[in-house]
Amino acid sequence: SAVISQKPSRDICQRGTSLTIQCQVDSQVTMMFWYRQQPGQSLTLIATANQGSEATYESGFVIDKFPISRPNLTFSTLTVSNMSPEDSSIYLCSVYGTESLKNYGYTFGSGTRLTVV
Amino acid sequence: GENVEQHPSTLSVQEGDSAVIKCTYSDSASNYFPWYKQELGKGPQLIIDIRSNVGEKKDQRIAVTLNKTAKHFSLHITETQPEDSAVYFCAASDRGGKLIFGQGTELSVKP
Repeated sequence: SAVISQKPSRDICQRGTSLTIQCQVDSQVTMMFWYRQQPGQSLTLIATANQGSEATYESGFVIDKFPISRPNLTFSTLTVSNMSPEDSSIYLCSVYGTESLKNYGYTFGSGTRLTVV
Repeated sequence: GENVEQHPSTLSVQEGDSAVIKCTYSDSASNYFPWYKQELGKGPQLIIDIRSNVGEKKDQRIAVTLNKTAKHFSLHITETQPEDSAVYFCAASDRGGKLIFGQGTELSVKP
């Protein structure tokens, strides 16, 4: 299956600042997604990262707060902007492979554990 | 859009017993149903999945069943072991290819 490298693995940030999370895949993938997992909760889809165009955001998530880039088929970034303690969560990158990898389903990175103080 | 409900939220079993987790989904067009295991401090790991053209799939001690008519699917773990203790999530892939997750089940296997 695709191997995902997500950085940073964890961070503690001051409120009002921004953090950019990187997701690097070892092979070209068709789809890339960003999820949020609040403490003790399930995974909530933030957006679909579209290569070369604006991301598609889910209800409740906006580009100004969570700008996303996807310059190519193996890399994406998620920025959490103007952070508040309520943004403390695990942020996860997920990918769905190309035709040769589709049998591996959706793969997740190990996540970025963000604490906002 | 798709909505996935998962039950129970917690499940405690004795080692060697079976565990069953159930999910329902709302979108009849959904066609892919994976199950993930998440251990503390780690990302979700795919353990088994099923597509809508199949009713049952088994991989050693793990099996998944799908009832398209009733729009529900279940995870079955037999001969449970302490290392099976984790949080399990079901998910359904909606029309746009996005995965929508259930609320999760915390499974505890007691030695």
